[in-house]
Amino acid sequence: AQSVTQLDSHVSVSEGTPVLLRCNYSSSYSPSLFWYVQHPNKGLQLLLKYTSAATLVKGINGFEAEFKKSETSFHLTKPSAHMSDAAEYFCVVALRGSASKIIFGSGTRLSIRP
Amino acid sequence: GAGVSQSPRYKVTKRGQDVALRCDPISGHVSLYWYRQALGQGPEFLTYFNYEAQQDKSGLPNDRFSAERPEGSISTLTIQRTEQRDSAMYRCASSLNEIAGVQNTGELFFGEGSRLTVL
Repeated sequence: AQSVTQLDSHVSVSEGTPVLLRCNYSSSYSPSLFWYVQHPNKGLQLLLKYTSAATLVKGINGFEAEFKKSETSFHLTKPSAHMSDAAEYFCVVALRGSASKIIFGSGTRLSIRP
Repeated sequence: GAGVSQSPRYKVTKRGQDVALRCDPISGHVSLYWYRQALGQGPEFLTYFNYEAQQDKSGLPNDRFSAERPEGSISTLTIQRTEQRDSAMYRCASSLNEIAGVQNTGELFFGEGSRLTVL
């Protein structure tokens, strides 16, 4: 079985400070891991993905995530937050070989303080 | 089209009525997925298609829910005899194909969703 846990339902940071959104996963097999972002009244957009290549993955808008197998984590980071980063972020685990076994976390709402 | 299009964007209906939600995927995308997202939760898998074939419907909550994609393009999710617990955002996503899409890249292209409210 596989699952994904986003440890924080809401994160608030000041503009220009680092962002850390935490994600832990559980998977019986080597998973594929993703982060999606959802801006208000918009569809979900892929931020970045890990599919067994480099463990440090760079995505759009300056975000990156590091796959740590020993910690079963895939935390999302950004060195300096921008007001436009305010959105809902979803960590996703996918079992390769099964398109239907794509599990979304419950989401983390990121707020940016001026 | 340029992106995944869903209609209606908002639907309010009375309990017991049937509703049909439509998804028009990106042109040429083979795979189409339906998700349901409750308030404060992540999207939950319902069903998916490759071309017109429904590959997996294990996520459909019960037999009031059905989906079709008769010509391998536009898909309709139908909920019969709606109940208040059916209220949610229903999201459609497409990918180029199952192999090049979800499995290897995770690139699901989502529509803006259809928000269903059952009174």
